[in-house]
Parts: sequence; structure tokens; C-alpha cells
Amino acid sequence: GAVVSQHPSRVICKSGTSVKIECRSLDFQATTMFWYRQFPKQSLMLMATSNEGSKATYEQGVEKDKFLINHASLTLSTLTVTSAHPEDSSFYICSARLRVNTEAFFGQGTRLTVV
Amino acid sequence: DQQVKQNSPSLSVQEGRISILNCDYTNSMFDYFLWYKKYPAEGPTFLISISSIKDKNEDGRFTVFLNKSAKHLSLHIVPSQPGDSAVYFCAASVVGGSQGNLIFGKGTKLSVKP
Repeated sequence: GAVVSQHPSRVICKSGTSVKIECRSLDFQATTMFWYRQFPKQSLMLMATSNEGSKATYEQGVEKDKFLINHASLTLSTLTVTSAHPEDSSFYICSARLRVNTEAFFGQGTRLTVV
Repeated sequence: DQQVKQNSPSLSVQEGRISILNCDYTNSMFDYFLWYKKYPAEGPTFLISISSIKDKNEDGRFTVFLNKSAKHLSLHIVPSQPGDSAVYFCAASVVGGSQGNLIFGKGTKLSVKP
């Protein structure tokens, strides 16, 4: 199946700093990628839809100025958590689909800990 | 309002027996359903999917059943193996809607005991 690679898998940062997470589709072009967040014992919650060459579409309640998304090419989307706070500590996962109505492939996820 | 519901947070099954994971949805516009398996600190892995034009899809030990009138789907794993122990997420999407994003349930943690 298609491969989506996410990096880093784990990051610890200090409050107030910014962290960038990369999501790459390794063997296919993804015009659309999705960013999810998962809290402990909770479901995957969609944060935003990343569109190549245009602005991301954010879900209600997600601060676009805090979670910056850049989809600069057909194989790379980045999520930057700006001015991170401890409450931003979570598991972030990206995904991409070859076509609508097919399975989505997920990255390995990034465990962010803000201290 | 949760559109995809997995009402059982956990399920314990003996090795070799059948595991049945259930999922209910409320949005009648959903027409594509998927099951994912997830280990801690990893991204979900796709297991099996079903389109709304079907009521059953089988892949090896995994079978997904869809009951559109009841807005219910289930994943059957038989025979269950200890390696199947993980959290299983049900997901749904609308063709052509929101560029294909998936709506997930909260997951069911399956434990298969030797």
C-alpha cells in the first residue's frame, strides 16, 4: 500500500517555542492531506485539511494562527505548532488519500510533549 | 454531536474465538466506511472498508458487515489471535464531501487472550 511518512516521531520542547512536524507521501502525490490530533483514550479528531498550493481548511475550534499548515508540494505537508504550551501536548497524526472514497494512509504519528 | 459511535470502549476475547466490534453512525450521507487498527504511539493501519452499495466485505480473517437501515456496521475477526490486540477505530466519509476527510469513532480496545 501507499506510504505516508511523518517526522519526528517524538519531540519534547519548551513552552513558548515552535515545533514543526512533517508529513510526506512517499510513493504517491497527495493534493490533500489531513492533520489529526488524538488525546489519551479519545478518538482521532480532525484539525485541518491541507491543500496543496492553497490555504488549509481548519475545523471549528482549531486556531489557525497557532497550528500553521503549509502544503508546499504534492508530497509534503507541514504542521507547525507555534508558541507551544503544555496543553498542546498530544499525539499528532497526518494522513493522505490517493483518491476520495479510498482508504486513507496514515503517518506514524508524532508525540509532542511541551514542558 | 458524535456522528460515528463505538459504544464499547473495550472487548476481551479468547484466542481462536470470534471478535465482533460494533459501530453506529448518525449521518445518512456517509457512504464509505473503514476500519483501522492502532497500536499505542503509532498511526492507524487500514484494515478493511466497505461501500454503502454493499452489505458485506471479506478479507481473510476480517469481515465487515453494513446494515444501512440500522446505520450500523460491525467488524468480525475470526479466529482471533493475540496479535490482534489493539485499538480498533471505525471511520466514515461522504463521497465528494469535505475533500474526503474521515470521521472517526472513539475506538474499541480489543484484547485477545491466549
